[in-house]
Amino acid sequence: RKEVEQDPGPFNVPEGATVAFNCTYSNSASQSFFWYRQDCRKEPKLLMSVYSSGNEDGRFTAQLNRASQYISLLIRDSKLSDSATYLCVVETSGGSYIPTFGRGTSLIVHP
Amino acid sequence: DTGVSQNPRHKITKRGQNVTFRCDPISEHNRLYWYRQTLGQGPEFLTYFQNEAQLEKSRLLSDRFSAERPKGSFSTLEIQRTEQGDSAMYLCASSTGQASSYNEQFFGPGTRLTVL
Repeated sequence: RKEVEQDPGPFNVPEGATVAFNCTYSNSASQSFFWYRQDCRKEPKLLMSVYSSGNEDGRFTAQLNRASQYISLLIRDSKLSDSATYLCVVETSGGSYIPTFGRGTSLIVHP
Repeated sequence: DTGVSQNPRHKITKRGQNVTFRCDPISEHNRLYWYRQTLGQGPEFLTYFQNEAQLEKSRLLSDRFSAERPKGSFSTLEIQRTEQGDSAMYLCASSTGQASSYNEQFFGPGTRLTVL
């Protein structure tokens, strides 16, 4: 089983739709969780951190479920510019902090 | 431009040759990471430095790969005796590296390696 798993998609949604992605992780000792965004042929960029209590940034909401070992990302009122790959990142400390990236979920928002 | 820079941006080489890539992190960042990314996959961790010390190295990294960060600033990644399976995008990232916490990683544009 991979350490971090994501549905690769693609998720095809119309503008204005609400879309949600999940990401599961296998190491119960994982401590930090993040969503990165990667545009085609570009480098990844941090979208948001994921806190235990859940957090929201505009149209984006991230949730963490430690019991079931998954994190989620909800995008409301999708824009064409949201089209990208969303990478789930899980960090586990064993003295150092090693980030593990999922393979990413592709989102395509169409008019 | 004060972001992370990587050189070269593209490298084509023949199997068996050695290649070296350079990464210049954001100047005040003391953590530097190397990743490899292939099509349809997320970045795969290779190694990481805290200042000049190499603190972690992936078990997946063969002994053909070596990285250095001699003065705690720029870093080089060398691949010896390249194989076709080494073809990938090699990404470098840096962060401020506050102790005992995660800090946002800023990625460079990557070096695309093609091994013929």
